[in-house]
Amino acid sequence: DADVTQTPRNRITKTGKRIMLECSQTKGHDRMYWYRQDPGLGLRLIYYSFDVKDINKGEISDGYSVSRQAQAKFSLSLESAIPNQTALYFCATSSFSGTDTQYFGPGTRLTVL
Amino acid sequence: AQSVTQLGSHVSVSEGALVLLRCNYSSSVPPYLFWYVQYPNQGLQLLLKYTTGATLVKGINGFEAEFKKSETSFHLTKPSAHMSDAAEYFCAVSESGGSYIPTFGRGTSLIVHP
Repeated sequence: DADVTQTPRNRITKTGKRIMLECSQTKGHDRMYWYRQDPGLGLRLIYYSFDVKDINKGEISDGYSVSRQAQAKFSLSLESAIPNQTALYFCATSSFSGTDTQYFGPGTRLTVL
Repeated sequence: AQSVTQLGSHVSVSEGALVLLRCNYSSSVPPYLFWYVQYPNQGLQLLLKYTTGATLVKGINGFEAEFKKSETSFHLTKPSAHMSDAAEYFCAVSESGGSYIPTFGRGTSLIVHP
């Protein structure tokens, strides 16, 4: 089984709809992250969480919110989706150490019409 | 503040040729440096990383990278490209003593021709 899972893998929605993307991990890591990938722009950090009670905004948090339900679960919500939020979304985890690898989920492809 | 620049959004090589993907970083403290690979329809996975010690780092699938402090570079190389190396490659940097949140480059797409 994969260490980091994301659901759904693909989602098409309409402008104004509320969308939740979910992430679960079995690595036992405290740190979890949500990234957005757009062609030519690389990965941009949306939110990150150092533990269940510590959630922080990344560089592009506007229009997004998150919830850390447990150490293993971190969900990303788009309260009112807009077309420019069409992108590939990745969840990742890591341990506390700065030398540690980030482990990525398979991604969710979101299309907002 | 840390930043990463990957030179070339696309690199095209022939199968069997040398692969060179360039990465330059900016960091105010000793950096930790990473290369990740993303195969089509998959998430990113670690190729290799530099933390401390030996500046030439070997990774999976025959890739290696050398940390050059004087040049603030961490270029990725592979002596002989294989068709299966076609993917998106990301360089990332995090700073020792900080929050350890990595900053990713914009990525380089490696195209391998038969």
